[in-house]
Amino acid sequence: QQQVKQSPQSLIVQKGGISIINCAYENTAFDYFPWYQQFPGKGPALLIAIRPDVSEKKEGRFTISFNKSAKQFSLHIMDSQPGDSATYFCAASRGASGTYKYIFGTGTRLKVLA
Amino acid sequence: NAGVTQTPKFRILKIGQSMTLQCAQDMNHNYMYWYRQDPGMGLKLIYYSVGAGITDKGEVPNGYNVSRSTTEDFPLRLELAAPSQTSVYFCASRQGARTEAFFGQGTRLTVV
Repeated sequence: QQQVKQSPQSLIVQKGGISIINCAYENTAFDYFPWYQQFPGKGPALLIAIRPDVSEKKEGRFTISFNKSAKQFSLHIMDSQPGDSATYFCAASRGASGTYKYIFGTGTRLKVLA
Repeated sequence: NAGVTQTPKFRILKIGQSMTLQCAQDMNHNYMYWYRQDPGMGLKLIYYSVGAGITDKGEVPNGYNVSRSTTEDFPLRLELAAPSQTSVYFCASRQGARTEAFFGQGTRLTVV
């Protein structure tokens, strides 16, 4: 019930292409869905986040699509660049209970070919 | 801006030894977390704290202990280190619900 399932495990995209990473969750009490980007040797850093009362959020080349009924959300990276090569994690958080725990997906290693 | 600071960055322990991983944040955040990251396994929550004096177990707490005597510090204690505890450990903090979590640079621990 606390799991967040992420796919694919790895992804190779040509420069200029669209990268799509998917996540699915089970617990309907989750109310905050961030995506984190991690470069080798660094800690994860927030990329973009969405709340369940909206279906889409866009920031520059990065878009989150959220499907509440299907309990799924995805990250789209438009015009992918070699600098986007990193590991991406989706996460879910439940704040209403006061625990504020973040539950992370298993990560997607993205490689963008020049 | 220091953010979240973890020490040490690297450590090699022998089986059965103990150590404390330090984590400090200067953002006055109430919520702090310890995660471990194993290759291909994502981030697993070890312990978390919602304020000074309050801690609770996460998904994988066995073999670890924490304390939170101040808002700033959240040390993670490993007792009787085992090879299964070889991992990269991340500390994170955030202000509250629906807010960004800030991560430290990580501590790479090897138990031999």
